[in-house]
Amino acid sequence: DAKTTQPNSMESNEEEPVHLPCNHSTISGTDYIHWYRQLPSQGPEYVIHGLTSNVNNRMASLAIAEDRKSSTLILHRATLRDAAVYYCIPLPGAGGTSYGKLTFGQGTILTVHP
Amino acid sequence: DTEVTQTPKHLVMGMTNKKSLKCEQHMGHRAMYWYKQKAKKPPELMFVYSYEKLSINESVPSRFSPECPNSSLLNLHLHALQPEDSALYLCASSQGLQGPINSPLHFGNGTRLTVT
Repeated sequence: DAKTTQPNSMESNEEEPVHLPCNHSTISGTDYIHWYRQLPSQGPEYVIHGLTSNVNNRMASLAIAEDRKSSTLILHRATLRDAAVYYCIPLPGAGGTSYGKLTFGQGTILTVHP
Repeated sequence: DTEVTQTPKHLVMGMTNKKSLKCEQHMGHRAMYWYKQKAKKPPELMFVYSYEKLSINESVPSRFSPECPNSSLLNLHLHALQPEDSALYLCASSQGLQGPINSPLHFGNGTRLTVT
């Protein structure tokens, strides 16, 4: 399984953009890159995922490096509600022994200041 | 509000008790998951059910017994637990056809279990 490295913590000010990095240098060609976040006292929630191209949705953008060894989750304007633990998760594709297993790493604790 | 409902929200049980955690979803999802989360740690996968059949068991001790009576319901039966089993137990569901790859997991807010 691909290993990930994320900063333990990051801080941001409200209404400023936030770039959350993730290193996944051992990712295989068929692994998707998923991001989930967990707000305090809640279960994790899906944020975004991608394979090779950059992706946008209403919550965030995902920028994937050309060599796929790293990715960056971008929150365009942080709000207090975005304070959470953000998890970057490479997800094995079909045929892998870990197919279908969403395995969480340590994640990045994001603090948003008013 | 989450679309995956877990009950109870809190549970305190003794080491000799038998209790069950319940999880329900009405999104038509065919894959359901149990995760365990200790304080300040990431969630750890325990079990995966796909189309009501157990497809993944992450070597979980037999004192945890999952059950999927139908496509909307997932139970976790607990028996003879230890204090170190105290944790937040999270249930999740996904559409199921390809696992979580193109079908994000929807999590409940968990059951906070304390074993005394």
